[in-house]
Amino acid sequence: NAGVTQTPKFQVLKTGQSMTLQCAQDMNHNSMYWYRQDPGMGLRLIYYSASEGTTDKGEVPNGYNVSRLNKREFSLRLESAAPSQTSVYFCASGSEVNTEAFFGQGTRLTVV
Amino acid sequence: AQSVTQLDSHVSVSEGTPVLLRCNYSSSYSPSLFWYVQHPNKGLQLLLKYTSAATLVKGINGFEAEFKKSETSFHLTKPSAHMSDAAEYFCVVSGRIGNDMRFGAGTRLTVKP
Repeated sequence: NAGVTQTPKFQVLKTGQSMTLQCAQDMNHNSMYWYRQDPGMGLRLIYYSASEGTTDKGEVPNGYNVSRLNKREFSLRLESAAPSQTSVYFCASGSEVNTEAFFGQGTRLTVV
Repeated sequence: AQSVTQLDSHVSVSEGTPVLLRCNYSSSYSPSLFWYVQHPNKGLQLLLKYTSAATLVKGINGFEAEFKKSETSFHLTKPSAHMSDAAEYFCVVSGRIGNDMRFGAGTRLTVKP
């Protein structure tokens, strides 16, 4: 019953450093998502993947890249971290468009 | 384009009294609508969903919501609040493509003893 697993849970980066957030799901879902959550703004979509090998930009893609490595895994990369990227990041997956998404536990990222 | 407005950023109720969390949406077509709950330092859990079937939707933990197209609303209710209901609640509208899902800003529910 793992569902959606994100690593790491916490991370502190210095401005300009790079890192990759990992996400894996074991529910055989086609769709996967990366969101960021900031106080008073709900969750905003960074990138979306409808299937293996495809990705699309969401509301706030600038400063991020993604890779849909296979059906299970969807990673988010920050090439040059900035303080504005301090946030809680959530990965999610869903079987189809218009169905509910299942969320991981989140990664709390601080950029100093 | 789609959007969601949660009309209250914070709602406070006493234990045992009704809960009402308000959500209005905007969509160019018939949307799917969801309510999620987030407990402190946790991920999001689905409470209930509307996908063009019955307009009154029942969810987990005694919550329900009614889809009202004429009012473009999807308010979340519960007859009697429990201390464990204290959390952040998000209303979500989803469209026909995967990157068209929009979250409201959230409503923080406080339950007083």
